[in-house]
This record gives sequence, C-alpha cells and structure tokens, in this order.
Amino acid sequence: LAKTTQPISMDSYEGQEVNITCSHNNIATNDYITWYQQFPSQGPRFIIQGYKTKVTNEVASLFIPADRKSSTLSLPRVSLSDTAVYYCLVQGLGTDKLIFGTGTRLQVFP
Amino acid sequence: ETGVTQTPRHLVMGMTNKKSLKCEQHLGHNAMYWYKQSAKKPLELMFVYSLEERVENNSVPSRFSPECPNSSHLFLHLHTLQPEDSALYLCASSQQLAGDMYEQYFGPGTRLTVT
Repeated sequence: LAKTTQPISMDSYEGQEVNITCSHNNIATNDYITWYQQFPSQGPRFIIQGYKTKVTNEVASLFIPADRKSSTLSLPRVSLSDTAVYYCLVQGLGTDKLIFGTGTRLQVFP
Repeated sequence: ETGVTQTPRHLVMGMTNKKSLKCEQHLGHNAMYWYKQSAKKPLELMFVYSLEERVENNSVPSRFSPECPNSSHLFLHLHTLQPEDSALYLCASSQQLAGDMYEQYFGPGTRLTVT
C-alpha cells in the first residue's frame, strides 16, 4: 500500500501562492492521487484528483511528475478561509486502498 | 437534505451502553464508508460497503458493527466501547465505476465521547 509523506505544517499570507508537496515513493501503476481539505470538526472535502502531468480546476492545480513519486497541490492566491488541513491520498481502483496521511496544516495570516 | 448527513452530531455514552450512528447519502452513490478520526491522528478507514460487498479493516475491534441495509443508509452499531474510542466518526460515500477514479463525499461527522 502506498504511504504518503507531507509536511506537518505550513504558513502563508493572504494573496500568496501555496504549494504543498506529497511524497508517495511506492505508488503503483494503477494508483492515482487525490487531495482533500478539512476544516475543524468537519468532514474532508474533495479538492482535486489526477493520475499524471497537470490537472487544474477552479480551486487548485495538481502537478504530478513523470515518475509519479510525488505530487504538488498548488493553491493560487490563498485567503484566510484556506486555513485548514490538507490531505494527500493515493488511491487504487479498489476500495481497500484508502490510506490518509497525517496531512498538512496550512495557516494563512492576514 | 443534500449530500451526506450524519446523526447524531454529538454523542456521549458510557462504556456499558449500546448506541448506533446513522449515515444517509442523498447522492445516488453505490459505496459508503466509515472512518474514525482521533485527535492528531490520520483518518482511519474502518468499513466499506461497495457494490453490496463489505470490506473491513481487520484492526477494527468487534465492538464496532456496521450495517448497510441499502445503498443510501449506513449504520455503525456501538457496544461496550472504551474511552480510547472517543473520536470523530465520519461517513462518506462515492460512486464506484469499474476501472475509474472516484472521489468521496464526507458527512459532517459524529463527535463521540465515551465516559
């Protein structure tokens, strides 16, 4: 099972771009990467998902290099409301491969 | 109601009580999940019901018993819990398509305190 490693915490200021990197060295061929955001006392919320190269949606971008051993979540121009814990998840096609890491606690300052 | 709902939102129970957590999804999904989130620990997958098949984490104690009567409802029956079972219990659902990526939709969770 692919284990993920993320920084425990990051600080940023409003308006800055934030990049959170996740390492997943033993990712399998059929695995893909998903990022979730979680606010205190709430369930995680889906942000973005991808298999390789770059994926972009209205909230974030996800960069995955060719070897797929890491991925980077990019949040453009963060605001105070982006203060949350961000989880990287490597998923297989089966439901038994759902292991969340410890997450990255992002603190955005004014 | 939209999305994934969970009741109750807060629960305090003694170690000898029996209680149940309820989850309902209004998204037409075909898979549902129970997670446990303890303080300062990652989410731990407890049980999965996918396409009417149950997958479970073998490390989950037998004092936790899931029930999935249909694709929209999921229960977690609790009995003789321990104080270390105090945590946020999260329910999620997803639409499973063979050979395709999927995302999970989480409910707000039930904050359980065992005294």
